[in-house]
Amino acid sequence: QKEVEQDPGPLSVPEGAIVSLNCTYSNSAFQYFMWYRQYSRKGPELLMYTYSSGNKEDGRFTAQVDKSSKYISLFIRDSQPSDSATYLCAMMKTSYDKVIFGPGTSLSVIP
Amino acid sequence: DAGVTQSPTHLIKTRGQQVTLRCSPKSGHDTVSWYQQALGQGPQFIFQYYEEEERQRGNFPDRFSGHQFPNYSSELNVNALLLGDSALYLCASSLWTDSYEQYFGPGTRLTVT
Repeated sequence: QKEVEQDPGPLSVPEGAIVSLNCTYSNSAFQYFMWYRQYSRKGPELLMYTYSSGNKEDGRFTAQVDKSSKYISLFIRDSQPSDSATYLCAMMKTSYDKVIFGPGTSLSVIP
Repeated sequence: DAGVTQSPTHLIKTRGQQVTLRCSPKSGHDTVSWYQQALGQGPQFIFQYYEEEERQRGNFPDRFSGHQFPNYSSELNVNALLLGDSALYLCASSLWTDSYEQYFGPGTRLTVT
């Protein structure tokens, strides 16, 4: 079993839809949870990070962490064509630890 | 303020050769991490440098080595290249105390023939 799993997609939604992206993980020691966006032929860009359980909101993006279920989510409201990219979840045990990435979910937002 | 820069952008090498990739961190950052990203996969952690020492290492053979300089820039060296080393190599910088907030460079695309 991989440490971090993610549905690779591709996920295709119409413009304006609410998008839900999810990751599951196996190591209960993870404490920091991040979401990155990666456009084609570019490096990943940090969207949000969350410490431990709970929700965090930033504009159209909301990150949720459920440590009891080892499950994290990223919600995108009012999705735009510019949101079309690969979304990577990532996590680490401490703020000094190595970062473990999921395989990424490819999202297409259709105008 | 320049972000993370990497050089070269693209590189083509032959099996058995050696390669050196370079990274300059974002201004103010003291920690550099290197990742390998195969097509369609998430980045795989290679190693992390802080205070010119390797602090963490992923599951990569000793053919992969690195260095960090006093100005925090870093190099990734790969010896005895294999076809399977073909990938996008990403450098990310952060503060040592906040390594969950990493900023990535655009990557170096390495092709081994």
